[in-house]
Amino acid sequence: AQKVTQAQTEISVVEKEDVTLDCVYETRDTTYYLFWYKQPPSGELVFLIRRNSFDEQNEISGRYSWNFQKSTSSFNFTITASQVVDSAVYFCALTPLGGANNLFFGTGTRLTVIP
Amino acid sequence: EAGVVQSPRYKIIEKKQPVAFWCNPISGHNTLYWYLQNLGQGPELLIRYENEEAVDDSQLPKDRFSAERLKGVDSTLKIQPAELGDSAVYLCASSLEGENTEAFFGQGTRLTVV
Repeated sequence: AQKVTQAQTEISVVEKEDVTLDCVYETRDTTYYLFWYKQPPSGELVFLIRRNSFDEQNEISGRYSWNFQKSTSSFNFTITASQVVDSAVYFCALTPLGGANNLFFGTGTRLTVIP
Repeated sequence: EAGVVQSPRYKIIEKKQPVAFWCNPISGHNTLYWYLQNLGQGPELLIRYENEEAVDDSQLPKDRFSAERLKGVDSTLKIQPAELGDSAVYLCASSLEGENTEAFFGQGTRLTVV
């Protein structure tokens, strides 16, 4: 069984602050993929990153960075110098290798960036 | 390149009426998914197609829900009859075949059953 927990339901930050969104997962599979998606008010889910369980290297893309720690089953997402356009609901998701993109999503974290 | 297109964007129906949602995936994407997103929740998979074959429909409530992807391109999801609890956003996604691909989502259809 797969489970993704995003304990932070809502977060508000002031523009230019850094913010970290937490994601903890449970799976019995030894190999799997982890994802982050952004859902702006328009409704579509925008892909941000995919990370496979073999690769624990942290990743940085512009103002975004991801910290994958297999030992604590966490895949946290940090936005540096937040902007108003970052306001959205962010979902962490998991699919086992061989799961063919059948994504198991967390309940999401609503981020509000206040100007 | 066009993304995943869904229609309608919004639908309001009375309970016990039928409703259908349409999805056109990204060109060349063999795999198509329908997800259900309840308010304040993450999406949950209803059905996955590989070309025209439904390869995973274990989460689809088959007593009232049906889906088809006749020519392996666009797809229709139907509910008959709709119940109040079906009010949600229905998301369609598509991807290329294989493990190392990401799914691209449409904007969804927001269904309200009154």
